[in-house]
Amino acid sequence: ETGVTQTPRHLVMGMTNKKSLKCEQHLGHNAMYWYKQSAKKPLELMFVYNFKEQTENNSVPSRFSPECPNSSHLFLHLHTLQPEDSALYLCASSQAASVFSYEQYFGPGTRLTVT
Amino acid sequence: TQLLEQSPQFLSIQEGENLTVYCNSSSVFSSLQWYRQEPGEGPVLLVTVVTGGEVKKLKRLTFQFGDARKDSSLHITAAQTGDTGLYLCAGAEAGTALIFGKGTTLSVSS
Repeated sequence: ETGVTQTPRHLVMGMTNKKSLKCEQHLGHNAMYWYKQSAKKPLELMFVYNFKEQTENNSVPSRFSPECPNSSHLFLHLHTLQPEDSALYLCASSQAASVFSYEQYFGPGTRLTVT
Repeated sequence: TQLLEQSPQFLSIQEGENLTVYCNSSSVFSSLQWYRQEPGEGPVLLVTVVTGGEVKKLKRLTFQFGDARKDSSLHITAAQTGDTGLYLCAGAEAGTALIFGKGTTLSVSS
């Protein structure tokens, strides 16, 4: 595998379910990110991990819980989501997050639908 | 709040035509990145521009960073159907997260 991979690619879940999104990067990067992409809105940064430490949490509701066990893996745990949380969730990695201008490499995303 | 405005929002053209899309802000950025996103995929980095007035070429794509580092343009010469996608610009300022525009959706038909 190369680049940034995400699983699953598609997920449909009810509002009471608990599920997790997985991201893995094979680029040797030290920073990983979760973004939310909704129609007609700019990409919204959700969480940033730099060297496994969370450095950014952009006022994301607690029903989204990130986990970064090492520099290569990133998870987003989901529980009691709302229909408005339906979106494409993108994972990205970069060399480091100490200077945000480092180019980011994105995974293909998980298309989440909350019913 | 830094904002990046991209225009036009949608563009539909025929193969062989030229086009320019724009990315504007009232803020100064240390660098600006352009990404292309195809349906069902994540954005892919095309180029990073750093110096005011800088011009970079990637085959038929020409990127320019404004002199004041507040705006950028992407010009495509002789568009092909493979250029179809969502074009995103993202501004970077040291110590802050990347700011993304909403994107320009380009459709090139044969």
